[in-house]
Amino acid sequence: TQLLEQSPQFLSIQEGENLTVYCNSSSVFSSLQWYRQEPGEGPVLLVTVVTGGEVKKLKRLTFQFGDARKDSSLHITAAQTGDTGLYLCAPHYYGGSQGNLIFGKGTKLSVKP
Amino acid sequence: DSGVTQTPKHLITATGQRVTLRCSPRSGDLSVYWYQQSLDQGLQFLIQYYNGEERAKGNILERFSAQQFPDLHSELNLSSLELGDSALYFCASSVLSGTGGTGELFFGEGSRLTVL
Repeated sequence: TQLLEQSPQFLSIQEGENLTVYCNSSSVFSSLQWYRQEPGEGPVLLVTVVTGGEVKKLKRLTFQFGDARKDSSLHITAAQTGDTGLYLCAPHYYGGSQGNLIFGKGTKLSVKP
Repeated sequence: DSGVTQTPKHLITATGQRVTLRCSPRSGDLSVYWYQQSLDQGLQFLIQYYNGEERAKGNILERFSAQQFPDLHSELNLSSLELGDSALYFCASSVLSGTGGTGELFFGEGSRLTVL
């Protein structure tokens, strides 16, 4: 059974600050997706990382896939109130069904003006 | 708008009752997934259908069942409801069959079930 942890569980910051959230697994995964869920909505895909050590940038968001393929991080630069939401990581484990994504419990981010 | 439609958005019912949640996937997507989201458990995978057939099963209770119809819409049936079944139920769809890969899941807005 794979253990998946996201940290921190909650994060409250002021607009303009930088932050990093983490996703750690007990098992190696073949790829990982990050989703953001806003209140009253379903999760929306932000990025998929597939290569160990990979870094992907999406405007102010930087995603990193660990070399060991057991962890990932999401860094947000100069956070804005629109970044508020629940950030979920979803690794895809070797041999797993693509749809049977295991989601972490998420990091609930609140960005205050 | 993800293109995935779920109804109803909100549902309040009593313990012991049965409810049906409905999902229409994005046009062209053959796979439908059901997830349950609660505060303590996070987003839990329940079941996946691909083109009418069950493809993968997660932590779905025996009191719950699902099916996907020829027009590809899906229904999740929850019976003998308990207080602990109160949660958000999400449907997602994907073009992939679920045999591997890194495809994107498109989620609906969810159905909020409250069991009193």
